[in-house]
Amino acid sequence: NAGVTQTPKFQVLKTGQSMTLQCAQDMNHNSMYWYRQDPGMGLRLIYYSASEGTTDKGEVPNGYNVSRLNKREFSLRLESAAPSQTSVYFCASMSGATSGANVLTFGAGSRLTVL
Amino acid sequence: AQSVTQLDSQVPVFEEAPVELRCNYSSSVSVYLFWYVQYPNQGLQLLLKYLSGSTLVKGINGFEAEFNKSQTSFHLRKPSVHISDTAEYFCAVSLSGGSYIPTFGRGTSLIVHP
Repeated sequence: NAGVTQTPKFQVLKTGQSMTLQCAQDMNHNSMYWYRQDPGMGLRLIYYSASEGTTDKGEVPNGYNVSRLNKREFSLRLESAAPSQTSVYFCASMSGATSGANVLTFGAGSRLTVL
Repeated sequence: AQSVTQLDSQVPVFEEAPVELRCNYSSSVSVYLFWYVQYPNQGLQLLLKYLSGSTLVKGINGFEAEFNKSQTSFHLRKPSVHISDTAEYFCAVSLSGGSYIPTFGRGTSLIVHP
């Protein structure tokens, strides 16, 4: 019963390097999300995908790109990493995109450090 | 747009004492309310939610929350905490119509001392 799986769990990058965070869910959920968590800032939405084939910007999209590869997978790419992108990144999924009553299921997180 | 304020960034408490974590929201329309918990080095998981009906909602691990529409609050309570309740707690709100994406508060760190 995997739920939402994120890889890698830890990553250290140098400024200017690129990388992709991978996320996969096995619950047949329609919508998927990428959040970042910073001390004292709570969770901030980076990008989301309401359904396969669509993506939209969240609160803090600058410096990131996403791809909804299929219904299961939603990746987050940092093209040129900056120290301000040092954070813990969470992927989440939700069964539907039409009701606020739905509950998010989160992955375990990916801790990224940019030097 | 909706917003969430968690009034305390950190709440220290001794084991077996009661605790209340405060959450206030702002919205011009009806809302759904959630509490999520994040144990150390883990992702968030749902603690409880209010969708409609009874304003007192019970969740996992002995937690409960009360929806107060007039005060726009959704405070989380537990009558007797354990060391294992040490975690980060997030209040979240989504709209019953319109945007379905929840907005999170900044979190409250509950620290239970022996």
